[in-house]
Parts: sequence; structure tokens; C-alpha cells
Amino acid sequence: GAVVSQHPSRVICKSGTSVKIECRSLDFQATTMFWYRQFPKQSLMLMATSNEGSKATYEQGVEKDKFLINHASLTLSTLTVTSAHPEDSSFYICSAQLYRDGNTEAFFGQGTRLTVV
Amino acid sequence: GQQLNQSPQSMFIQEGEDVSMNCTSSSIFNTWLWYKQDPGEGPVLLIALYKAGELTSNGRLTAQFGITRKDSFLNISASIPSDVGIYFCAGQFPGGSQGNLIFGKGTKLSVKP
Repeated sequence: GAVVSQHPSRVICKSGTSVKIECRSLDFQATTMFWYRQFPKQSLMLMATSNEGSKATYEQGVEKDKFLINHASLTLSTLTVTSAHPEDSSFYICSAQLYRDGNTEAFFGQGTRLTVV
Repeated sequence: GQQLNQSPQSMFIQEGEDVSMNCTSSSIFNTWLWYKQDPGEGPVLLIALYKAGELTSNGRLTAQFGITRKDSFLNISASIPSDVGIYFCAGQFPGGSQGNLIFGKGTKLSVKP
């Protein structure tokens, strides 16, 4: 099956610092990846669409200068939380799309628990 | 915008019981996906549906793509403790940005041993 690896799984950082989260598709190429944020006991909230070789598309209300996305290759997208604050603490999840026989399947990374202190 | 209603929000069942949950949409979807998420983990794809009326099984799990293309259900037969988790439906509507999925709010399943 398709595997998406996300790293790190947990990170604690100080307020004002930046944190980078990586999302890799291990056994397939993904021209498009997605970044989600999940609050406790809630569903997944799409933050942005990461497009290989071009700028990311951000959802309304998501600050692009705060959540920097880079999709430098067909197997890697990164999300950098800049100048992190405690309110940025959350569970961040990436997904990569796999298109087979005209159908779409989405596979998720393991998630990253970010705690800003 | 597009919305998915997933129900029930949570359920407690006895081990061995069958479970059913469903999602309805305000619009027609061309893809329905069902995921399970364990605490602290990313969602794992359980079943993918691409055709109206399609009925697909994965072990004790069965899901169907509604004929109207606006709904889908997931059934779990003979539940066991490891079925505990949050189940999400996700759909893709025609004309939506390629690959973009809309997620239901989830059904939290708790099983009494």
C-alpha cells in the first residue's frame, strides 16, 4: 500500500522559535499534498494544499507567512511554523493523494504533536 | 460551502455487537472514503468507494456508496475492543479542486469489554 511518513511525531519548542515538519510519500510520487490541523476531539481542518514546484494554496483564515509550506520534490512537503506561540500548539497531519485508475485515495502521515511553551 | 453530516457523534457498544454509522452530504459526491483514527495517530484508510451503489467489504467492515451519491454508511460487524477509535468519512465532490476532500466530524466508538 501507499505509505506517508511524517516527522517528527512530537516536538516541543519555545515561543518565538520556528519548527519544521516533514511529510514524505515513501513509495509513490505525490504532486499534491495537504496539511491539516486537528484540535482535541475535533475533525481535520484543512490548512493548505501543497503543490510540487509551485506556491501552496492556503485556506481562508490560515496565515501563509506563519505556516510556510515548501513542496520541493514529488515525495517531500514541509510545513514550517514560524515564530510559534502557545496557541499554535496542536496536532498537525499531512496527507498525500494517490491517483489510480482515475480514482483518488488519500493517505495520511502519522501526525505531529506540536507543543509550544 | 459543502458540508458533511456524520452520525452518530459517539457510541458505546457491547463487544460483539454490530455498529453502523453514516454520512450525508448536501451535494453529490463522486468519492467516499472511510478512515479510522487512533489517538495520537494519523487517519488510516479503511474503505474507498467510487461508484453509486457500490458495496465494499474489508474484513468485518462494510461500506456502501449511496444511490443518490449524497450518502454513505459504514458497518462494523461483531465489534471487538480494538475497534475503539474515531471513524471519519470523507468525500470528494465533482468540480472540487483535485484531490481535495471534505471530512465529517467523526464518530467516536467505544466498546465495553
